[in-house]
Amino acid sequence: DAGITQSPRYKITETGRQVTLMCHQTWSHSYMFWYRQDLGHGLRLIYYSAAADITDKGEVPDGYVVSRSKTENFPLTLESATRSQTSVYFCASSPPEADMNTEAFFGQGTRLTVV
Amino acid sequence: GDSVTQMEGPVTLSEEAFLTINCTYTATGYPSLFWYVQYPGEGLQLLLKATKADDKGSNKGFEATYRKETTSFHLEKGSVQVSDSAVYFCALILEVNSGYALNFGKGTSLLVTP
Repeated sequence: DAGITQSPRYKITETGRQVTLMCHQTWSHSYMFWYRQDLGHGLRLIYYSAAADITDKGEVPDGYVVSRSKTENFPLTLESATRSQTSVYFCASSPPEADMNTEAFFGQGTRLTVV
Repeated sequence: GDSVTQMEGPVTLSEEAFLTINCTYTATGYPSLFWYVQYPGEGLQLLLKATKADDKGSNKGFEATYRKETTSFHLEKGSVQVSDSAVYFCALILEVNSGYALNFGKGTSLLVTP
């Protein structure tokens, strides 16, 4: 199916464990993003990528790692999960012509609980 | 840095009431402005956008005008429906190191009752 998909949709993990959230898009969009959504904070940018092998930190990158070896995939790894990383995580992508007018397309989100 | 501020929620309205959700921006230039909507259990989707001053974005009965004088992009709808219950996010395009990203407000939850 065309679009942007995230997996898993729900995840419970223990403090200190490594966990990877997957994001896959079928449009060949060059831009991809990871946001976290928390009550009272809205959406905050964790990492973004302008193309394969190009990644940059956003507003709240600490404790997270990303990679972009293929255009279509942008996994987010929590190296050692903490309770403060309990959140809903959204992946998004934008077309290759991303400029000041471009729309972003969002996945359905991954609800992560760290216990 | 460039940012948006939107009114706190939740907002509760009766069906057919008039809706306004306030959004103001702080920016060095004139970035494109957006309203995104998040329906329960879903990701965000674009509702409307405006790319320059005095532009009006519109979609599904919602409107917002990019006002440079008041640095605002308020969302309005003349008659809301129960199906409009969702969280609404104001956003602007932010220029970052290797390109662009969206910078969102905190979101405003809207509940429309029959």
